[in-house]
Amino acid sequence: AQKVTQAQTEISVVEKEDVTLDCVYETRDTTYYLFWYKQPPSGELVFLIRRNSFDEQNEISGRYSWNFQKSTSSFNFTITASQVVDSAVYFCALSEAVRGSTLGRLYFGRGTQLTVWP
Amino acid sequence: NAGVTQTPKFQVLKTGQSMTLQCAQDMNHEYMSWYRQDPGMGLRLIHYSVGAGITDQGEVPNGYNVSRSTTEDFPLRLLSAAPSQTSVYFCASTVTSGGSYEQYFGPGTRLTVT
Repeated sequence: AQKVTQAQTEISVVEKEDVTLDCVYETRDTTYYLFWYKQPPSGELVFLIRRNSFDEQNEISGRYSWNFQKSTSSFNFTITASQVVDSAVYFCALSEAVRGSTLGRLYFGRGTQLTVWP
Repeated sequence: NAGVTQTPKFQVLKTGQSMTLQCAQDMNHEYMSWYRQDPGMGLRLIHYSVGAGITDQGEVPNGYNVSRSTTEDFPLRLLSAAPSQTSVYFCASTVTSGGSYEQYFGPGTRLTVT
């Protein structure tokens, strides 16, 4: 079973629209970390955010915001007033501790391809 | 700091050939890992290491070997390449305690096995 599910394979929006990328995760650990990464067409992976399991505060960074809800095991990502440069594949990821290390295996979702049209 | 470096950037192998993908980081990170990225599959963890001398399997370890003799290097070995190993390979590193746990990714190696 997938530990991280990104049900939206592809999303297309027109510039200035708001868009939310969904992420649902599965873990039995009480301590874990959630991440979002961006992969633009150039192929590199860009870190966007980390959230630990004890911090359910939502976070806003410019046009980006994240909604973490443990009750629904979701960590959704919203881009407000989307721009063409936001076009990329976005990955959600989950890290579980292993061997006493805080950071262990990192599981990625399959990604959501976001296309923003001008 | 060069960050995470990977060599080569591109490689074509014939079935049955062996090769080593190199990964190095100069940030003194304890944690290093290898992923493969296939279309529609996201990134899948092959092997990872939480420190020199310690390695462990990820989701898709079959056909790959790793070792971690130094903090800086984490090579990935394909002993007998198969077409199913055609993929883009990413190496990553991060700290294991404190910090943001942001994984720093290398630029990737595009491997084709014919």
